[in-house]
Amino acid sequence: DIQVTQSPSSLSASVGDRVTITCQASQDIKYYLNWYQHKPGKAPKLLIYDASNLETGVPSRFSGSGSGTDFTFTITSLQPEDIATYYCRQYYDLPGTFGPGTNVVIK
Amino acid sequence: EVQLVESGGGLIQPGGSLRLSCAASGLNVSSNYMSWVRQAPGKGLEWVSGIYRGGRTDFADSVKGRFTISRDNSQNTLYLQMNSLRAEDTAFYYCATFTILKDWGQGTLVTVSS
Repeated sequence: DIQVTQSPSSLSASVGDRVTITCQASQDIKYYLNWYQHKPGKAPKLLIYDASNLETGVPSRFSGSGSGTDFTFTITSLQPEDIATYYCRQYYDLPGTFGPGTNVVIK
Repeated sequence: EVQLVESGGGLIQPGGSLRLSCAASGLNVSSNYMSWVRQAPGKGLEWVSGIYRGGRTDFADSVKGRFTISRDNSQNTLYLQMNSLRAEDTAFYYCATFTILKDWGQGTLVTVSS
């Protein structure tokens, strides 16, 4: 099974800060990686698919990059409404594997 | 626009059974890969089960042999039958579409407790 690690597990940043989360797969998954945002009491939301493609309607301050085993998710200017837990998920090998999540809070 | 509405959650005693439903609009559940994903209290997202367009089903090891997934094409609804429930099955359960988990419902809470 493909394992997915994610770091950091939590981060605290100020409004306007650039935030970066990394995700590493245990083997080459090409570009088969997505990023999700999950706010308490809400449905998870797909933000980035296939490593770097912005889902329709998602603000452009969110972006993703990487391929193979190493991936990066970036919020260029953190907003108060971005407080959430962010998950990466590989789907190269279905049913897919979620990373453990990164909890983003405002400093 | 795709809309997914889960229902069927509730409080159930250990060993009991529940059937969750996911009513879909804006897509055909029979024509697409559909999944159930859960989040236990204080934990991350965990894929539970999926059903392919052709009918093949998959389950996480933690629920294999206890849960079944099915769909009703006429009702355009996805189901998760959960038997022999355990305390560790307590979670919000979400249905989601496609292999990229593009669309999600709001979830339904299952609490397994005596």
